[in-house]
Amino acid sequence: DAKTTQPPSMDCAEGRAANLPCNHSTISGNEYVYWYRQIHSQGPQYIIHGLKNNETNEMASLIITEDRKSSTLILPHATLRDTAVYYCIVRVQGEYGNKLVFGAGTILRVKS
Amino acid sequence: ETGVTQTPRHLVMGMTNKKSLKCEQHLGHNAMYWYKQSAKKPLELMFVYSLEERVENNSVPSRFSPECPNSSHLFLHLHTLQPEDSALYLCASSRQRGETQYFGPGTRLLVL
Repeated sequence: DAKTTQPPSMDCAEGRAANLPCNHSTISGNEYVYWYRQIHSQGPQYIIHGLKNNETNEMASLIITEDRKSSTLILPHATLRDTAVYYCIVRVQGEYGNKLVFGAGTILRVKS
Repeated sequence: ETGVTQTPRHLVMGMTNKKSLKCEQHLGHNAMYWYKQSAKKPLELMFVYSLEERVENNSVPSRFSPECPNSSHLFLHLHTLQPEDSALYLCASSRQRGETQYFGPGTRLLVL
Protein backbone atom coordinates (compact mmCIF):
# COMPACT_ATOMS: atom_id res chain seq x y z
CA ASP A 1 0.00 0.00 0.00
CA ALA A 2 1.11 3.53 -0.75
CA LYS A 3 2.44 5.41 2.28
CA THR A 4 1.54 8.85 0.97
CA THR A 5 -1.56 11.04 0.81
CA GLN A 6 -2.03 13.61 -1.94
CA PRO A 7 -4.97 15.79 -3.00
CA PRO A 8 -6.73 14.25 -6.00
CA SER A 9 -6.45 17.36 -8.15
CA MET A 10 -5.16 20.93 -8.27
CA ASP A 11 -5.30 23.84 -10.67
CA CYS A 12 -2.52 26.32 -11.36
CA ALA A 13 -2.30 29.40 -13.56
CA GLU A 14 0.30 29.34 -16.30
CA GLY A 15 3.47 31.13 -15.26
CA ARG A 16 2.75 30.82 -11.56
CA ALA A 17 4.40 28.45 -9.11
CA ALA A 18 2.68 25.11 -8.61
CA ASN A 19 2.98 23.79 -5.06
CA LEU A 20 1.99 20.15 -4.72
CA PRO A 21 1.65 18.84 -1.16
CA CYS A 22 2.20 15.32 0.08
CA ASN A 23 1.73 13.74 3.50
CA HIS A 24 3.86 10.78 4.54
CA SER A 25 3.40 10.69 8.30
CA THR A 26 4.56 7.06 8.69
CA ILE A 27 7.84 7.51 6.83
CA SER A 28 10.85 5.79 8.37
CA GLY A 29 14.20 7.46 8.93
CA ASN A 30 15.97 5.91 5.95
CA GLU A 31 13.11 6.08 3.41
CA TYR A 32 13.44 8.51 0.54
CA VAL A 33 10.67 10.67 -0.90
CA TYR A 34 10.42 10.47 -4.69
CA TRP A 35 8.36 12.51 -7.13
CA TYR A 36 7.38 11.35 -10.60
CA ARG A 37 4.89 12.69 -13.07
CA GLN A 38 2.92 11.03 -15.84
CA ILE A 39 1.59 12.89 -18.81
CA HIS A 40 -1.44 11.21 -20.32
CA SER A 41 -0.70 7.68 -21.56
CA GLN A 42 3.06 8.10 -21.34
CA GLY A 43 5.57 6.51 -18.98
CA PRO A 44 6.20 8.15 -15.60
CA GLN A 45 8.97 10.74 -15.65
CA TYR A 46 11.37 11.05 -12.72
CA ILE A 47 11.41 14.56 -11.23
CA ILE A 48 13.34 14.64 -7.98
CA HIS A 49 13.96 12.80 -4.72
CA GLY A 50 15.26 13.58 -1.24
CA LEU A 51 15.81 12.22 2.24
CA LYS A 52 16.01 15.10 4.72
CA ASN A 53 17.35 18.19 3.03
CA ASN A 54 15.59 20.34 0.49
CA GLU A 55 16.58 19.53 -3.07
CA THR A 56 16.51 21.49 -6.31
CA ASN A 57 17.18 20.54 -9.90
CA GLU A 58 16.36 21.94 -13.31
CA MET A 59 12.78 20.71 -13.11
CA ALA A 60 11.62 21.41 -9.58
CA SER A 61 12.34 21.96 -5.91
CA LEU A 62 11.50 19.55 -3.11
CA ILE A 63 10.83 20.91 0.34
CA ILE A 64 10.73 18.33 3.15
CA THR A 65 9.56 19.35 6.61
CA GLU A 66 11.94 18.95 9.50
CA ASP A 67 9.92 16.07 10.97
CA ARG A 68 9.81 14.50 7.46
CA LYS A 69 6.07 13.86 7.74
CA SER A 70 5.23 15.94 4.70
CA SER A 71 6.81 17.48 1.64
CA THR A 72 6.00 19.91 -1.15
CA LEU A 73 7.02 19.74 -4.78
CA ILE A 74 7.42 23.18 -6.34
CA LEU A 75 7.34 23.84 -10.06
CA PRO A 76 8.52 27.46 -10.10
CA HIS A 77 6.92 28.61 -13.36
CA ALA A 78 4.26 26.17 -14.47
CA THR A 79 3.54 25.81 -18.19
CA LEU A 80 0.71 24.07 -20.00
CA ARG A 81 3.07 21.14 -20.64
CA ASP A 82 3.31 20.57 -16.89
CA THR A 83 -0.29 19.33 -16.86
CA ALA A 84 0.06 15.74 -15.64
CA VAL A 85 -0.51 13.32 -12.75
CA TYR A 86 2.12 13.91 -10.07
CA TYR A 87 3.06 10.99 -7.82
CA CYS A 88 4.63 11.41 -4.41
CA ILE A 89 6.21 8.10 -3.42
CA VAL A 90 8.05 6.86 -0.38
CA ARG A 91 10.66 4.33 -1.40
CA VAL A 92 10.06 1.46 0.99
CA GLN A 93 12.06 -1.58 1.97
CA GLY A 94 10.31 -4.54 0.41
CA GLU A 95 10.96 -8.25 0.79
CA TYR A 96 13.38 -8.18 -2.13
CA GLY A 97 14.88 -4.71 -1.67
CA ASN A 98 13.84 -1.09 -2.05
CA LYS A 99 10.73 -0.53 -4.11
CA LEU A 100 8.47 2.28 -5.32
CA VAL A 101 4.77 1.95 -4.50
CA PHE A 102 2.69 4.28 -6.64
CA GLY A 103 -0.57 5.75 -5.36
CA ALA A 104 -3.28 7.66 -7.20
CA GLY A 105 -1.30 10.91 -7.40
CA THR A 106 -2.47 14.49 -7.92
CA ILE A 107 -3.85 15.63 -11.25
CA LEU A 108 -2.31 19.05 -11.88
CA ARG A 109 -4.09 21.17 -14.46
CA VAL A 110 -2.18 24.22 -15.64
CA LYS A 111 -4.51 26.76 -17.18
CA SER A 112 -3.81 29.76 -19.39
CA GLU B 1 13.81 10.57 -24.03
CA THR B 2 14.75 8.59 -20.96
CA GLY B 3 17.03 6.05 -22.62
CA VAL B 4 14.42 3.31 -22.23
CA THR B 5 12.56 2.21 -25.35
CA GLN B 6 9.60 -0.11 -25.69
CA THR B 7 8.12 -1.86 -28.71
CA PRO B 8 5.49 -2.09 -29.92
CA ARG B 9 3.82 1.07 -28.63
CA HIS B 10 0.36 -0.35 -29.33
CA LEU B 11 -0.80 -3.96 -29.58
CA VAL B 12 -4.16 -5.59 -30.18
CA MET B 13 -4.36 -9.33 -29.67
CA GLY B 14 -6.93 -12.07 -29.37
CA MET B 15 -7.17 -14.30 -26.34
CA THR B 16 -5.55 -17.21 -28.18
CA ASN B 17 -2.60 -15.25 -29.58
CA LYS B 18 1.00 -15.26 -28.41
CA LYS B 19 2.90 -12.00 -28.50
CA SER B 20 5.94 -10.43 -26.87
CA LEU B 21 6.68 -6.98 -25.55
CA LYS B 22 10.24 -5.71 -25.80
CA CYS B 23 12.13 -3.23 -23.65
CA GLU B 24 15.63 -1.95 -24.23
CA GLN B 25 17.65 0.41 -22.06
CA HIS B 26 20.69 2.36 -23.23
CA LEU B 27 21.73 3.60 -19.79
CA GLY B 28 24.08 0.84 -18.67
CA HIS B 29 21.73 -0.07 -15.84
CA ASN B 30 21.74 -3.40 -14.03
CA ALA B 31 18.10 -3.64 -12.93
CA MET B 32 14.95 -3.75 -15.03
CA TYR B 33 11.26 -3.80 -14.12
CA TRP B 34 7.84 -4.55 -15.62
CA TYR B 35 4.80 -2.61 -14.39
CA LYS B 36 1.14 -2.83 -15.32
CA GLN B 37 -1.16 0.20 -15.30
CA SER B 38 -4.86 -0.56 -15.72
CA ALA B 39 -7.41 2.17 -16.30
CA LYS B 40 -7.94 4.30 -13.22
CA LYS B 41 -5.59 2.17 -11.12
CA PRO B 42 -2.10 2.87 -9.74
CA LEU B 43 0.94 1.29 -11.30
CA GLU B 44 1.46 -2.29 -10.18
CA LEU B 45 4.92 -3.81 -10.06
CA MET B 46 5.00 -7.16 -11.88
CA PHE B 47 8.60 -8.34 -12.12
CA VAL B 48 12.07 -7.18 -11.12
CA TYR B 49 15.33 -8.33 -12.68
CA SER B 50 18.77 -7.59 -11.28
CA LEU B 51 21.84 -8.59 -13.29
CA GLU B 52 19.61 -10.72 -15.51
CA GLU B 53 18.23 -12.69 -12.57
CA ARG B 54 14.56 -12.47 -11.64
CA VAL B 55 14.46 -11.25 -8.06
CA GLU B 56 10.79 -10.43 -7.65
CA ASN B 57 7.51 -11.78 -9.02
CA ASN B 58 4.45 -10.12 -7.53
CA SER B 59 1.98 -12.98 -7.90
CA VAL B 60 1.67 -12.44 -11.61
CA PRO B 61 -0.34 -15.10 -13.53
CA SER B 62 1.71 -17.55 -15.57
CA ARG B 63 0.22 -16.26 -18.82
CA PHE B 64 2.79 -13.47 -18.39
CA SER B 65 6.33 -14.79 -18.82
CA PRO B 66 9.31 -12.43 -18.50
CA GLU B 67 12.72 -12.95 -20.02
CA CYS B 68 15.94 -10.99 -19.49
CA PRO B 69 18.64 -12.29 -21.87
CA ASN B 70 21.10 -9.54 -20.91
CA SER B 71 21.15 -6.40 -18.80
CA SER B 72 20.00 -4.19 -21.68
CA HIS B 73 16.96 -6.17 -22.83
CA LEU B 74 13.77 -7.30 -21.16
CA PHE B 75 10.87 -9.14 -22.71
CA LEU B 76 7.35 -9.93 -21.57
CA HIS B 77 5.89 -12.93 -23.36
CA LEU B 78 2.12 -13.03 -23.46
CA HIS B 79 -0.13 -16.02 -24.14
CA THR B 80 -3.82 -16.79 -23.67
CA LEU B 81 -4.51 -13.41 -22.15
CA GLN B 82 -7.87 -12.23 -20.88
CA PRO B 83 -9.68 -8.99 -21.70
CA GLU B 84 -8.94 -7.73 -18.17
CA ASP B 85 -5.24 -7.86 -19.05
CA SER B 86 -5.77 -4.86 -21.31
CA ALA B 87 -3.57 -2.12 -19.86
CA LEU B 88 -0.50 0.03 -20.31
CA TYR B 89 2.62 -2.08 -19.72
CA LEU B 90 5.61 -0.09 -18.60
CA CYS B 91 9.27 -1.02 -18.45
CA ALA B 92 11.76 0.75 -16.22
CA SER B 93 15.44 0.45 -15.41
CA SER B 94 17.75 1.61 -12.63
CA ARG B 95 21.46 1.59 -12.08
CA GLN B 96 21.09 -0.89 -9.25
CA ARG B 97 17.98 -2.52 -7.84
CA GLY B 98 16.12 -0.08 -5.60
CA GLU B 99 17.67 3.08 -7.03
CA THR B 100 15.99 5.78 -9.13
CA GLN B 101 13.96 4.19 -11.93
CA TYR B 102 13.62 5.56 -15.45
CA PHE B 103 10.57 4.51 -17.41
CA GLY B 104 9.94 3.76 -21.04
CA PRO B 105 6.91 5.12 -22.93
CA GLY B 106 4.88 1.94 -22.42
CA THR B 107 2.99 -0.49 -24.62
CA ARG B 108 -0.77 0.00 -24.80
CA LEU B 109 -2.25 -3.52 -24.95
CA LEU B 110 -5.82 -4.37 -25.90
CA VAL B 111 -6.99 -7.97 -25.55
CA LEU B 112 -10.13 -8.83 -27.49
